[in-house]
Amino acid sequence: EDKVVQSPLSLVVHEGDTVTLNCSYEVTNFRSLLWYKQEKKAPTFLFMLTSSGIEKKSGRLSSILDNKELFSILNITATQTGDSAVYLCAVGSNYQLIWGAGTKLIIKP
Amino acid sequence: DAGVTQSPTHLIKTRGQQVTLRCSPKSGHDTVSWYQQALGQGPQFIFQYYEEEERQRGNFPDRFSGHQFPNYSSELNVNALLLGDSALYLCASSLEGVGRSDTQYFGPGTRLTVL
Repeated sequence: EDKVVQSPLSLVVHEGDTVTLNCSYEVTNFRSLLWYKQEKKAPTFLFMLTSSGIEKKSGRLSSILDNKELFSILNITATQTGDSAVYLCAVGSNYQLIWGAGTKLIIKP
Repeated sequence: DAGVTQSPTHLIKTRGQQVTLRCSPKSGHDTVSWYQQALGQGPQFIFQYYEEEERQRGNFPDRFSGHQFPNYSSELNVNALLLGDSALYLCASSLEGVGRSDTQYFGPGTRLTVL
C-alpha cells in the first residue's frame, strides 16, 4: 500500500531558529513530491521536486529530494511567527496526490 | 488570474441528507480533484475528473459521486450523509494537457458539518 510519512508530527521552536521537516515515502509509480503549507483552509503550494539531489529554494525555504532513499526534507531558516502552519508533503502517483499527515510547526516569538 | 473557487464555504446538514459542493478550477486548468480532510489529518483523495469523466477514484463509497462540466467546473455529491462525513472538502485544479504538471492548486474548501 502506498504511504507517505512525515516527521515530526509537531514541532515548537523560537523565532530565528532553523527547522528541518522530513517526508519519507513508499509509492508505486512515483512522479513527483510536493510540499504545501496549510494555515487555515487551503493548502498553498511551496515546491515540486522530481529530480534527486537538486535543491529548490524560495527565500528562507528550501527543499531537496532523495529518490534513492525515498525521502525529502524541507528546511526553513530564520523562522518567523508567520511560518507557523501545518506543512504537508504529497507524492504524485498516477493521477492522484498521496498525502502525509503533516507537520504542525509552531514558532514562538 | 482567477484562482480555484468553491461554494459554499460552510454547510450544515443532518444525517441522511444529500449535499452538493461546487468548484471552479483555476483559469487555464482542465482537471479537478476532490479531497476530504478530517481535522488533524492530511487530505484523502476522493476522485479526479478530466474531460468530464472520473479518471481515478480513492477509497470512498459510491455515496460520493461527482461531475465535471464542459467549462471544467465540477460538483461533488454526497448522498445519505453520515456523521463521519463531517470534514473540510477541498477541490484542487491542475493542468493535464500541454504542460502537464502534478502541481495542484487548492480552493478555500467547504466545511461540511453533519449533525
